[in-house]
Amino acid sequence: GQNIDQPTEMTATEGAIVQINCTYQTSGFNGLFWYQQHAGEAPTFLSYNVLDGLEEKGRFSSFLSRSKGYSYLLLKELQMKDSASYLCAVRDPGYGQNFVFGPGTRLSVLP
Amino acid sequence: KAGVTQTPRYLIKTRGQQVTLSCSPISGHRSVSWYQQTPGQGLQFLFEYFSETQRNKGNFPGRFSGRQFSNSRSEMNVSTLELGDSALYLCASSLAGLAGGVDTQYFGPGTRLTVL
Repeated sequence: GQNIDQPTEMTATEGAIVQINCTYQTSGFNGLFWYQQHAGEAPTFLSYNVLDGLEEKGRFSSFLSRSKGYSYLLLKELQMKDSASYLCAVRDPGYGQNFVFGPGTRLSVLP
Repeated sequence: KAGVTQTPRYLIKTRGQQVTLSCSPISGHRSVSWYQQTPGQGLQFLFEYFSETQRNKGNFPGRFSGRQFSNSRSEMNVSTLELGDSALYLCASSLAGLAGGVDTQYFGPGTRLTVL
């Protein structure tokens, strides 16, 4: 089966750094994706990892360890507009190459 | 380039009725996937269409069905609506839906369905 876990909620202060963790157990693995979803809006793509290591994209970085079934999304220099839900998703070839999504982490950035 | 569009944006129906939702993918995208999003269950995969064929299906009852047209536009139908079908229905399109690679999905704004 497929199981993806993320913390439900996190709070951080403007200008700080926050790390959102994601652990997964899937029948297969063909990439891990992070999406951002503001309340009432559609998810938007943030980053993608298929090999172990860190991928950096401006203020956002994502890390993957396939052996541990673990990923994190690192957000630096937090801004108020970063308040949103962050969804971790695994592309699973055992699931028809489709995306299995985690429950999402709701991040609140406080002034 | 226009993004993924979904119509209608909001729907209110009563139990037992049926509903059809529409999704137009980004031009050139051939894969369309449908998801149901609820506060309790998160984003759950319904099905994926590629070149007018249903390629994958999630664990939803047969009341949920869909189809894709030759222009890649897709429709989703839910028959005999239940209260628990109240949710945000999202569709996402991708370039080719091929195995592997950075085949990112782009989401539409969703259709908010309320069943009374």
